[in-house]
Amino acid sequence: GAVVSQHPSWVICKSGTSVKIECRSLDFQATTMFWYRQFPKQSLMLMATSNEGSKATYEQGVEKDKFLINHASLTLSTLTVTSAHPEDSSFYICSARGSPYNEQFFGPGTRLTVL
Amino acid sequence: QQQVKQSPQSLIVQKGGISIINCAYENTAFDYFPWYQQFPGKGPALLIAIRPDVSEKKEGRFTISFNKSAKQFSLHIMDSQPGDSATYFCAANRGGKLIFGQGTELSVKP
Repeated sequence: GAVVSQHPSWVICKSGTSVKIECRSLDFQATTMFWYRQFPKQSLMLMATSNEGSKATYEQGVEKDKFLINHASLTLSTLTVTSAHPEDSSFYICSARGSPYNEQFFGPGTRLTVL
Repeated sequence: QQQVKQSPQSLIVQKGGISIINCAYENTAFDYFPWYQQFPGKGPALLIAIRPDVSEKKEGRFTISFNKSAKQFSLHIMDSQPGDSATYFCAANRGGKLIFGQGTELSVKP
């Protein structure tokens, strides 16, 4: 299968600051990337879908001005959590899909803690 | 209609036993049903997947049974091992988006 990486693997920040998380497809070109959020002991909830070179499509209830997504190349997408607050603390996971694969491959996740 | 309901929430199985996790869905537009395994602090990894035109798929110790008329599918883990202890998620795909079940925390006792 394909490999997707995320950086950083964990981050702690102060309330009110912004944090950027990177998602990279290492051995294939990801035409579509997805961002999920997972709270402890809960399922993955899709936040947004991004296609390379296009604006991200956000799921209902996800604030697009708070969670900025950029997918400027076929191997990199970034999620920026702006003006983070403690309630944004969560496990953020990206996934990628692209030729020759039909399925999504998931990154290892980024643990965000906002103090 | 977009929900995927998964049960049980948690499962304890003895080593060598069979682990069975069930999922049900409503939306007949779902066209692909994967199962993921997730260890604590890690991203989910694809285990096995099935399309609705197939009733069963087996890969090693993992088998998906799919009942299209009942809109249900299940994961069977044969000869369960302590290393299988993880959280398992079923999912359903529509339009390239995955809808995940609530997850099942499996514990395999030695």
